[in-house]
Amino acid sequence: GESVGLHLPTLSVQEGDNSIINCAYSNSASDYFIWYKQESGKGPQFIIDIRSNMDKRQGQRVTVLLNKTVKHLSLQIAATQPGDSAVYFCAENIAGFQKLVFGTGTRLLVSP
Amino acid sequence: NAGVTQTPKFQVLKTGQSMTLQCAQDMNHEYMSWYRQDPGMGLRLIHYSVGAGITDQGEVPNGYNVSRSTTEDFPLRLLSAAPSQTSVYFCASRTPGNEQFFGPGTRLTVL
Repeated sequence: GESVGLHLPTLSVQEGDNSIINCAYSNSASDYFIWYKQESGKGPQFIIDIRSNMDKRQGQRVTVLLNKTVKHLSLQIAATQPGDSAVYFCAENIAGFQKLVFGTGTRLLVSP
Repeated sequence: NAGVTQTPKFQVLKTGQSMTLQCAQDMNHEYMSWYRQDPGMGLRLIHYSVGAGITDQGEVPNGYNVSRSTTEDFPLRLLSAAPSQTSVYFCASRTPGNEQFFGPGTRLTVL
């Protein structure tokens, strides 16, 4: 079984609701941010990214918002489906360091 | 493309044993990296490589070695396994545009 994420914050929603997952990042020099989805027993999967010169980016059913003033990133999932149930991680790329720093993750549980 | 592949999927070691976790990618990505994932701690960078012959330390490099003799392969070596190295290990490769692809992971238990 999957042991990762036992102590993660959890967001529980009903199918069809909109979900908002939040992330606080630490480094004002970060120039690029990514959201990943990780299903049980699998590696993280890229969802959407945003560069620091933007404050909003939209994908299919997902939107990422970036607030550099308060170092906050959010992932909005529209019309959440049971298949969206997973752990979601934000990651920041610190400019000039070629490294991604990951947040601790949020578990999203979608009930039918 | 197979993407990023990792072997083995599962491994149990005794304290003090050594082993190599294998990682390969067929996307011709220059940048590759190794992470470990522990409960409540997200993914932490162990080592990374920006191209063949070049490696560098990440956040938690102690107890691990890497080499990058080819673009495709980036093995991670545990020199003398310790229970603190029990974790799930992910290898990743990255495009020049920073899109990162992860392998399926290796679950390692050190007794």
